[in-house]
Amino acid sequence: AQTVTQSQPEMSVQEAETVTLSCTYDTSESDYYLFWYKQPPSRQMILVIRQEAYKQQNATENRFSVNFQKAAKSFSLKISDSQLGDAAMYFCAYRSNPGNQFYFGTGTSLTVIP
Amino acid sequence: EAGVTQFPSHSVIEKGQTVTLRCDPISGHDNLYWYRRVMGKEIKFLLHFVKESKQDESGMPNNRFLAERTGGTYSTLKVQPAELEDSGVYFCASSQERVQGHGYTFGSGTRLTVV
Repeated sequence: AQTVTQSQPEMSVQEAETVTLSCTYDTSESDYYLFWYKQPPSRQMILVIRQEAYKQQNATENRFSVNFQKAAKSFSLKISDSQLGDAAMYFCAYRSNPGNQFYFGTGTSLTVIP
Repeated sequence: EAGVTQFPSHSVIEKGQTVTLRCDPISGHDNLYWYRRVMGKEIKFLLHFVKESKQDESGMPNNRFLAERTGGTYSTLKVQPAELEDSGVYFCASSQERVQGHGYTFGSGTRLTVV
C-alpha cells in the first residue's frame, strides 16, 4: 500500500523568507501523481501544485516549487517570498495513475511571522 | 462556478447520537469522495461515488457509517450511533469523470466532535 509521510508537524517562516516542507512516500508503482494541498483555517482545501512522476522537471507555480526526487521518493515543497496568506495546513498527497483514491500525509502547519 | 459545499461546518454531538453530514459537489461532477482526518493523523479515504453508485467503499470504518448519493447529486454521510473515535474532520471532494491527474475540488470540511 502507498504511504505518505510528512515529518514536520509544524513549521514557521519569517515573512518574505523561504521555507521548505518535506514529504516522502512509499510505493512500488512507476506511474503516479504527487500533490501539495493547502488548507487555510476553516477554509476549503485547495491544490497548490502537482507533479507527474514521469516528468523529470520539477513543477513550479509562481512562488511555489517542488523538489521531486523519484529514486529517493521525496517530494518537498518550497515556498519563496513567504506571505501572511501562506499560513495554512499543508498536505502532501499521492495518487496512482490510473486511480481515484488519494493518500495523504499527516500535514504540516505553517505559520508565517510578520 | 460554485465550489464543493459541506454542511454543517461544525457539529458537536453526544456519544450514541446520530449525525448526518451533507456534501453538495460541483454541478456536473460525477465523482464524489468522502475523506476523514482524525486529529493529528493523515486524511484517509472513506468512499467514492460515481454518480449514484458506490464505486469503492473500502475505507468505511464500520457499519455505523452509511453514505448515500440519491440521484447522483448531493451526498450524505450518516453516523449512527456516533462513538468518541468518530471525531474528526470529514472532507468531501468532487471531480469530473476523467480527471486525468488533476486534483479534486475539496469542500471546507465538517468538524465533528463526539463527546
